[in-house]
Amino acid sequence: GAVVSQHPSWVICKSGTSVKIECRSLDFQATTMFWYRQFPKQSLMLMATSNEGSKATYEQGVEKDKFLINHASLTLSTLTVTSAHPEDSSFYICSARPRGLYEQYFGPGTRLTVT
Amino acid sequence: EDQVTQSPEALRLQEGESSSLNCSYTVSGLRGLFWYRQDPGKGPEFLFTLYSAGEEKEKERLKATLTKKESFLHITAPKPEDSATYLCAVKSGGGADGLTFGKGTHLIIQP
Repeated sequence: GAVVSQHPSWVICKSGTSVKIECRSLDFQATTMFWYRQFPKQSLMLMATSNEGSKATYEQGVEKDKFLINHASLTLSTLTVTSAHPEDSSFYICSARPRGLYEQYFGPGTRLTVT
Repeated sequence: EDQVTQSPEALRLQEGESSSLNCSYTVSGLRGLFWYRQDPGKGPEFLFTLYSAGEEKEKERLKATLTKKESFLHITAPKPEDSATYLCAVKSGGGADGLTFGKGTHLIIQP
């Protein structure tokens, strides 16, 4: 149980284009979903927290207009990287927290490369 | 501010050589301490949740313990497939929804 999927698993895009990443909780309802970024050999950096039906809360230093988050339902959240630049290249990981629990279950991650 | 410090940063063991990973934490009102395993290029895999001092949990060769200041992840007779980065995280009683993660311990088990 507690499976989270992400799509796509990897994507290459050109500078200036936008990319959407989907995160789904497959066997549970997630009242809260989280988006992280991870650089090579570093730990997870929380970008934003989203609750179903409300606006996402962004961490300090994360541009909300660049990283658009939509938590459309209790099983789906999307992250759109707008006007991507090479410095946005990274490993993006989502997680979902089941109702009533504190632990988060992570997706497999999406490798974004901007050329 | 919640803080999580993991040690050592990296650990190399021989297959079968037992050891422990440490996670020291400072948190306002601990709601839970979590251990995850992360393989290269993948998302973290949930291992354990510990809620209060004295609690222990086991899964195969792994055993997690918790005190009021730290947690240990004991690995008994490890195998090469146990090689991974092990992450520790805490949830405080504060207003933030998220977890505070440590930087992880990179564990290598040599055959």
